[in-house]
Formats: sequence, C-alpha cells, structure tokens
Amino acid sequence: AQSVTQPDIHITVSEGASLELRCNYSYGATPYLFWYVQSPGQGLQLLLKYFSGDTLVQGIKGFEAEFKRSQSSFNLRKPSVHWSDAAEYFCAVGSSGSARQLTFGSGTQLTVLP
Amino acid sequence: DVKVTQSSRYLVKRTGEKVFLECVQDMDHENMFWYRQDPGLGLRLIYFSYDVKMKEKGDIPEGYSVSREKKERFSLILESASTNQTSMYLCASTFQGYSNQPQHFGDGTRLSIL
Repeated sequence: AQSVTQPDIHITVSEGASLELRCNYSYGATPYLFWYVQSPGQGLQLLLKYFSGDTLVQGIKGFEAEFKRSQSSFNLRKPSVHWSDAAEYFCAVGSSGSARQLTFGSGTQLTVLP
Repeated sequence: DVKVTQSSRYLVKRTGEKVFLECVQDMDHENMFWYRQDPGLGLRLIYFSYDVKMKEKGDIPEGYSVSREKKERFSLILESASTNQTSMYLCASTFQGYSNQPQHFGDGTRLSIL
C-alpha cells in the first residue's frame, strides 16, 4: 500500500528566508506526486505535480519540488518566503489504476515571522 | 476553473441527529470524494464515488454513508451523529481514468456535534 510521510509537523521561517518542506513516499511503481497548500479556512489548492520526465518541477507562487527516486522523496522548496505563504502544506501520492487516487501526508504547518 | 461547492461552511448539530453534507461540482467529473481532516492526521478518505450510484469505502467509512444520484452531486450522510465526528469535511472531484490528474477541492465544512 502506498504511504506518505511528512516528518515536520511545524516549521517556522523568517520572511525572505529559503524554505524546504520534506516529503517521503512509499509506492511500488513510479509515483504520481502532488503538493497542495491549504490557507486557513480554505480547501486545498494544487501547487505542483510530478508524473514523469524532468525531476525538478515548477509550480505556482514560486514553489518548486524535486523528485528523487533513490531517496523516495519529493521535497518542496521556495527560495524566498513571503508572509502570505503561511499555511498548511500537504504532500500526496497517486496510484495508477485506482479510482481512489490519492494518499495524503499528515501535513506541515508553516509559520512565517516578519 | 473547476468549481467544487460545499453547501455549508459551518454546521452545528446535536448528538443522534442525521446530518447531510452536500457537494456539487460543475466540471462533469466522474470521481468525487469525501475526506475528513483532523489536526495531525492529514486527510483521510471516507468514501468515494466513480460514477452515479457507484461508491466505494475509503479508510474510515464507519458511521457514514454517501449518496450519488446525479453526476454533479455527492452527499455525505452521518446516520446518527456523534461527538467524535466533529471535524472538517472536504469534498473533491476529478476525472475518471486519469489517476495523474489533481483533485479539485471545495472550501470545506466545519462540523460540530454537540
């Protein structure tokens, strides 16, 4: 069965600092990987996705993520964090051939200090 | 843009009541999902539906049922609400047969059972 681990429950960074959120997955085949962001009181918004090809994926809001098969990781990065990036971030892995589709990690809460 | 609309943002009900949460999507998506979101647990799949009148259990179906009479509408039913069902509920939808497609989420319903 597929699974996703986000080892950091809560991360605090200063505005303008760089950010890396960790995600490790377990899946037998080539995974479909997603990062979502959830602002307070809102649903989830897709930041970026990886299916195949270039292992460095660009997303919205200046985010990028790198797929590393050898480490079973799909870490999210941003070179300079803005106060509006404060939110909860979820990594998810998709399974091919299943209508169920996505398994989510437990989330990482990001706090941005002024 | 895909629009997934959940009928209520906030709902307060009493123990033992039958509760209906409604979700409507406007993109002719085959797949629809109900998740429950709790702090530290991420999103857990309750039920999903891959076609009208078709449904499958997710990870935590106990105490819940669903109804999909029309393609655009997916209802979550709490047969006899209990306090441990106090949570945020998220609805999502996507195309069938494309497991690499992202799910589109509603803004959520925060349900309190007193």
